[in-house]
Amino acid sequence: GESVGLHLPTLSVQEGDNSIINCAYSNSASDYFIWYKQESGKGPQFIIDIRSNMDKRQGQRVTVLLNKTVKHLSLQIAATQPGDSAVYFCAENARGNQFYFGTGTSLTVIP
Amino acid sequence: GAGVSQSPSNKVTEKGKDVELRCDPISGHTALYWYRQSLGQGLEFLIYFQGNSAPDKSGLPSDRFSAERTGGSVSTLTIQRTQQEDSAVYLCASSLVLGAQGGYGYTFGSGTRLTVV
Repeated sequence: GESVGLHLPTLSVQEGDNSIINCAYSNSASDYFIWYKQESGKGPQFIIDIRSNMDKRQGQRVTVLLNKTVKHLSLQIAATQPGDSAVYFCAENARGNQFYFGTGTSLTVIP
Repeated sequence: GAGVSQSPSNKVTEKGKDVELRCDPISGHTALYWYRQSLGQGLEFLIYFQGNSAPDKSGLPSDRFSAERTGGSVSTLTIQRTQQEDSAVYLCASSLVLGAQGGYGYTFGSGTRLTVV
């Protein structure tokens, strides 16, 4: 079956450092991935996406890396700020209709 | 509206009662999704609506759960005879295109926190 999992449920980083959040997926047919950020009391917000024909995509302070060989996805946040503290989810899409989400990684930025 | 609106934001109900949760998607978004998020868990897919097509109900956990989408816009998720294990945050999302591919992603509402006592 499909599953999306995260290596680390929690991550603490010092303000200004770079953060790396990892995600493993099991369905080799997944061809589209999204990272979401969920702040307390809010719904998840789209951060960045990547298609399976790419291995890297950059946004503002964020970079997503995709390694299809080992079915691994990562989100890199540069110069982490207190406002980056949230739960981060990766989601995979293999059927075109819905996404499957992992448990999430809670990122805490230490001032 | 500017975003996906869900109501109520919080709902406390007694075990055995029925509840209705409402979702107003972004105007023009043809796809609407319901997810459930239990404490410390990921998002569990419940149901998906796309235009006038029959909904994908494959994620509904039991026949106590049902959802409808009237006029291709507002959606209501109904849970009958609520149980304590139904306690969770129920999230609604909408997207402009099927599967939210093409860089649109989903737009989520803030959710309804349901507590069954």
